[in-house]
Amino acid sequence: EAGVAQSPRYKIIEKRQSVAFWCNPISGHATLYWYQQILGQGPKLLIQFQNNGVVDDSQLPKDRFSAERLKGVDSTLKIQPAKLEDSAVYLCASSEHTGELFFGEGSRLTVL
Amino acid sequence: AQTVTQSQPEMSVQEAETVTLSCTYDTSESNYYLFWYKQPPSRQMILVIRQEAYKQQNATENRFSVNFQKAAKSFSLKISDSQLGDTAMYFCAFKGGSNFGNEKLTFGTGTRLTIIP
Repeated sequence: EAGVAQSPRYKIIEKRQSVAFWCNPISGHATLYWYQQILGQGPKLLIQFQNNGVVDDSQLPKDRFSAERLKGVDSTLKIQPAKLEDSAVYLCASSEHTGELFFGEGSRLTVL
Repeated sequence: AQTVTQSQPEMSVQEAETVTLSCTYDTSESNYYLFWYKQPPSRQMILVIRQEAYKQQNATENRFSVNFQKAAKSFSLKISDSQLGDTAMYFCAFKGGSNFGNEKLTFGTGTRLTIIP
């Protein structure tokens, strides 16, 4: 069974530029999550989708971050414009009704 | 809001020894789930073990076991016969309620565990 796929694995941009991350969850998983993991900290939930609807985006900085899951399968997370403090690993995870999250390898963003 | 605290930023242990990682949490819910996730260097996070709060028996998975103290809101992870492949960041995580399909996790800050050959 294929795992959660994320791309790109690494991205370096200048502040005020934009960046997009892509995630393809495990086939059949209805729920998809984007987490932000800043160095030295635990992952923090940015947004949660159930199929193509948003369940929780309370911690998403909506002035610069956006995410979509138009067809209820893969998802894109965008940052525009990026700030230095956005440097982090962006983790995508998916789940079905088992209580377990399956994570991708993450996309490491460095903002200079 | 739930909080998860891991008070040991780093730990190291000799190979084959036993190590215990600590985790405490705060919640007003009576039904919830607790997890330990492992994040090896540059690899994805994987589930190590989980505990349902309504179960009194501590969960075990091969060399991994937990000590769940519900009244004290404590959830420690014991790794027996530690192996080099156990070197990783370990995160304690909390999920409230029993609403499957909404597996939002709250994570602690992690413990970096190094197994020394």
